[in-house]
Amino acid sequence: NAGVTQTPKFQVLKTGQSMTLQCAQDMNHEYMSWYRQDPGMGLRLIHYSVGAGITDQGEVPNGYNVSRSTTEDFPLRLLSAAPSQTSVYFCASSYSSTGGLSYEQYFGPGTRLTVT
Amino acid sequence: AQSVTQLGSHVSVSEGALVLLRCNYSSSVPPYLFWYVQYPNQGLQLLLKYTTGATLVKGINGFEAEFKKSETSFHLTKPSAHMSDAAEYFCAVRPSGFNKFYFGSGTKLNVKP
Repeated sequence: NAGVTQTPKFQVLKTGQSMTLQCAQDMNHEYMSWYRQDPGMGLRLIHYSVGAGITDQGEVPNGYNVSRSTTEDFPLRLLSAAPSQTSVYFCASSYSSTGGLSYEQYFGPGTRLTVT
Repeated sequence: AQSVTQLGSHVSVSEGALVLLRCNYSSSVPPYLFWYVQYPNQGLQLLLKYTTGATLVKGINGFEAEFKKSETSFHLTKPSAHMSDAAEYFCAVRPSGFNKFYFGSGTKLNVKP
């Protein structure tokens, strides 16, 4: 199993540009999520999904969009990049209980994004 | 809102010494608790978790943690530090019945020879 994969590893954007961060997992996990990691702030949840076609907002959703058309993929879209979105982005996935609740998460290697 | 507090953004210990990384949480419902480790330029890797049952849980690489409900704590310990333990450690909480995870701000562990 490849686990959770993320592309690209590094990206530099200019203010106002848009882009999509890709995330895929091959573990048939229902739960997937996106976090951003900033120094001294830990990881903050951007969006998450409990299954194909179902997404919800986390703590810091503004400026980001997601969709979940398949179990495997959960792309994160930046609509109009801003310097405040300079960060390291992690995708994670998790199996779910019969009640739909998730357990420990498996993380991808991250995407380091710089917005100038 | 849930919060996770990790006391000490940087902890330094000598090789062979006890490692103690502190985590306190606020949660209105019983939580599931996790410790993750992050090595430089890598993603997070699960060290251990508490869901239900025994409050002392053992994880990988000799780490363990104890859930203390009365103190709302989930401190991480290792009896003898190794140079390879140098990394950043994150405590995380998922309140029972909810599908969001909340992370602490992290503690960087430095191990001196």
